[in-house]
Amino acid sequence: DAGITQSPRHKVTETGTPVTLRCHQTENHRYMYWYRQDPGHGLRLIHYSYGVKDTDKGEVSDGYSVSRSKTEDFLLTLESATSSQTSVYFCAIFPEEAGELFFGEGSRLTVL
Amino acid sequence: DAKTTQPNSMESNEEEPVHLPCNHSTISGTDYIHWYRQLPSQGPEYVIHGLTSNVNNRMASLAIAEDRKSSTLILHRATLRDAAVYYCILPCSQGNLIFGKGTKLSVKP
Repeated sequence: DAGITQSPRHKVTETGTPVTLRCHQTENHRYMYWYRQDPGHGLRLIHYSYGVKDTDKGEVSDGYSVSRSKTEDFLLTLESATSSQTSVYFCAIFPEEAGELFFGEGSRLTVL
Repeated sequence: DAKTTQPNSMESNEEEPVHLPCNHSTISGTDYIHWYRQLPSQGPEYVIHGLTSNVNNRMASLAIAEDRKSSTLILHRATLRDAAVYYCILPCSQGNLIFGKGTKLSVKP
């Protein structure tokens, strides 16, 4: 058990509303990631973090922001959700000693 | 950034070996080759990774071509539980793992 949890696991919201997804880890790993997964596209990296208040953009960062005010939490925010952001969102951590990514169970977001 | 090419799908019979190919002709000398898989309705999970030499672990073997432009993930005896999407990944210039579409493996009883 990598000690990574995502919340909420499912959310339905309307276009134009703000949405925040939370990724929580029980360890103190530096690296955390947010990916989205859509049919036909595989997983695409949205944003990542390499420490508290240290974040950077991935492949598909437009329309998303992130924050990491403490080591254990990495928040993904959609300031104004759009239907194109309907997706399954996965958080991942990278324990450097393990050398592999551990993924959460995913958060399914539907924007109507 | 180096890119990987995998077949969209493959089929296997239960208890037979499976060889999943990956081409990465633009790989750089220091890039590790990573394999992950994603079971239905789950997040991806690590399978194996390697640099130059062939690698083995409890899940699979990774055979890397001498010129490193291709690799093959080998499942020695496929089970129904191995039905998943398998991703062959190289790190991007920032060191992050960028997933492609992977190979969907179906296993027939």
